[in-house]
Amino acid sequence: ETGVTQTPRHLVMGMTNKKSLKCEQHLGHNAMYWYKQSAKKPLELMFVYNFKEQTENNSVPSRFSPECPNSSHLFLHLHTLQPEDSALYLCASSQGGAGSSGANVLTFGAGSRLTVL
Amino acid sequence: DQQVKQNSPSLSVQEGRISILNCDYTNSMFDYFLWYKKYPAEGPTFLISISSIKDKNEDGRFTVFLNKSAKHLSLHIVPSQPGDSAVYFCAASIGGSQGNLIFGKGTKLSVKP
Repeated sequence: ETGVTQTPRHLVMGMTNKKSLKCEQHLGHNAMYWYKQSAKKPLELMFVYNFKEQTENNSVPSRFSPECPNSSHLFLHLHTLQPEDSALYLCASSQGGAGSSGANVLTFGAGSRLTVL
Repeated sequence: DQQVKQNSPSLSVQEGRISILNCDYTNSMFDYFLWYKKYPAEGPTFLISISSIKDKNEDGRFTVFLNKSAKHLSLHIVPSQPGDSAVYFCAASIGGSQGNLIFGKGTKLSVKP
């Protein structure tokens, strides 16, 4: 496996379900990110992890809970979501740490398409 | 309010001709700009970038121009090829701030044979 891998690619869940999105990067990068892409909206940054530590939480509701057990894995735990949370959730990684130019060149996964019924 | 705007949701170009994708921004603190390309069912992939200390950066068929006074950048693809058909996202950041890229909504480019 190379690059950034996201599973599942598609997920349908009810509002009372608990599910998780998984991301794995095989690039040896130091930072990982969750982005959200809703229909007709720009990509929105949700969370940033540097060396497993969360460094950014972009005012994301608590029904989204990230977890980064190591530099290669990132999870997004989902609980009591709303239909408006239906979107494409993109994971990304970057080689550089905060303040480095390499931090801006993100490698994205293919995304997890989430539908909340 | 959107800080990075791509006002053309779509663009259609004939193969071999030039494609020009435009992007405007409002925050004068942005100092690093990137273009990403996205095919259906794939994640965005990095294409080309430019620092605010430059006004042009070229990589093969792709050239990005930056006009700081107008807060405008553009991506030129020449010659355009059918394989360039994708959604192109403009993104900007401040001071290399990690991962905090502000993206535009994207422009869908269709290159017709």
